[in-house]
Amino acid sequence: GEDVEQSLFLSVREGDSSVINCTYTDSSSTYLYWYKQEPGAGLQLLTYIFSNMDMKQDQRLTVLLNKKDKHLSLRIADTQTGDSAIYFCAESPQTGANNLFFGTGTRLTVIP
Amino acid sequence: EAQVTQNPRYLITVTGKKLTVTCSQNMNHEYMSWYRQDPGLGLRQIYYSMNVEVTDKGDVPEGYKVSRKEKRNFPLILESPSPNQTSLYFCASSLAQNNSPLHFGNGTRLTVT
Repeated sequence: GEDVEQSLFLSVREGDSSVINCTYTDSSSTYLYWYKQEPGAGLQLLTYIFSNMDMKQDQRLTVLLNKKDKHLSLRIADTQTGDSAIYFCAESPQTGANNLFFGTGTRLTVIP
Repeated sequence: EAQVTQNPRYLITVTGKKLTVTCSQNMNHEYMSWYRQDPGLGLRQIYYSMNVEVTDKGDVPEGYKVSRKEKRNFPLILESPSPNQTSLYFCASSLAQNNSPLHFGNGTRLTVT
């Protein structure tokens, strides 16, 4: 089955850039997503990228996709304390596009 | 306000006592799904529903049941809960078409003793 992997923890200083990495196994994935989970809340969609794109930028967020290596990353520029959360990578297989497969989540801690 | 509402937020129960976690969405979404979140395992899908009266198993359906009698509601039923079902549960919904974003509820933390 599909496998999505992320490192569990990341700490950065306020103002620095954060890079959260994700690898996946399903080469037929159509969309790849980044979700953010704040304490005590559900997941919120941050951004997504279609599999035929290499990069997508949205304000402080940059998503890079290396389809050959099946590697996805999320870069957060000028990281703020409000960015502290768990970030989930998710992939949408070609069939059943709503059935997302999530990674383990990366807990980002921003140090003031 | 568009939202997915789960109840209860917290639940402590004993082994074998049947329980239901409710989920309701007000966005007229066709697709609904249940996930459980466990440390180091991320979110794993339990069951999903593409529309009324259509439900399918996800990755970890054992010990769970669902029903979809109406479009807005998708309850999760544990007929005989066991301690390994202690987890954080999320309901989510979306429109049926590709790449429609999933909207999540705020979660239900279940403890089975």
